[in-house]
Amino acid sequence: QSTLTQPASVSGSPGQSITISCTGTSLDVDNYDIVSWYQQRPGKAPKLIIYEVNKWPSGISARFSGSKSGNTASLTISGLQAEDEADYYCSSYATGTNFHVIFGGGTKLTVL
Amino acid sequence: QLQLQESGPGLVKPSETLSLLCTVSDGAFSNNDYYWGWIRQPPGKGLEWIGTIYYTKNTYYNPSLTSRVTMSIDTSKNQLSLRLTSVTAADTAVYFCARAGPLYCGTAKCFVSNWFDAWGQGALVTVSS
Repeated sequence: QSTLTQPASVSGSPGQSITISCTGTSLDVDNYDIVSWYQQRPGKAPKLIIYEVNKWPSGISARFSGSKSGNTASLTISGLQAEDEADYYCSSYATGTNFHVIFGGGTKLTVL
Repeated sequence: QLQLQESGPGLVKPSETLSLLCTVSDGAFSNNDYYWGWIRQPPGKGLEWIGTIYYTKNTYYNPSLTSRVTMSIDTSKNQLSLRLTSVTAADTAVYFCARAGPLYCGTAKCFVSNWFDAWGQGALVTVSS
């Protein structure tokens, strides 16, 4: 069973930048841009913030950026704001499949 | 603006069938590039993909649920549906319907989208006697 590993928590002060990593063997296959990121505030549905590694959906701030190197994808949030405090999930595919979507365990971002 | 709304019983007994509907806003199915999915989230836990469906009724299910899950789409009624049979307490979760992106094709193969850009508010389903 493929897994995507994220740190349980990260924190930063307003104005700072933070990076959340997402590691998985399925990310290093064939070099496809198949990573997405979601922000979820308490009691709300997830919100897509990055797709295909580094693309922004309409209306998403450029303070959010994505990248990938080998088997690790990263989400960077620059100019941290209090409203960025939320859970963040990465997503990709189980190894060897082109349809089985998997999510990382989630990272709780605390803005100090 | 695209809207999705889940509906269905909030309480299901163990061993019975969970059934949910997702009503989407008019015109949502007019763009055949998009797929549609269901994702769930147990209380206090992470996200789990249940499956994805295309307007042609092609379905893609999570292998861990494939023996129990059925998804359907009715474009004339602007509805998606989810059925999960033989439920247990482990199926207690908030169930989301969402719009998935178009097929992603690289140089050698295509992927059913793993990104969902519009979500319903979610429906909590509790499995308990």
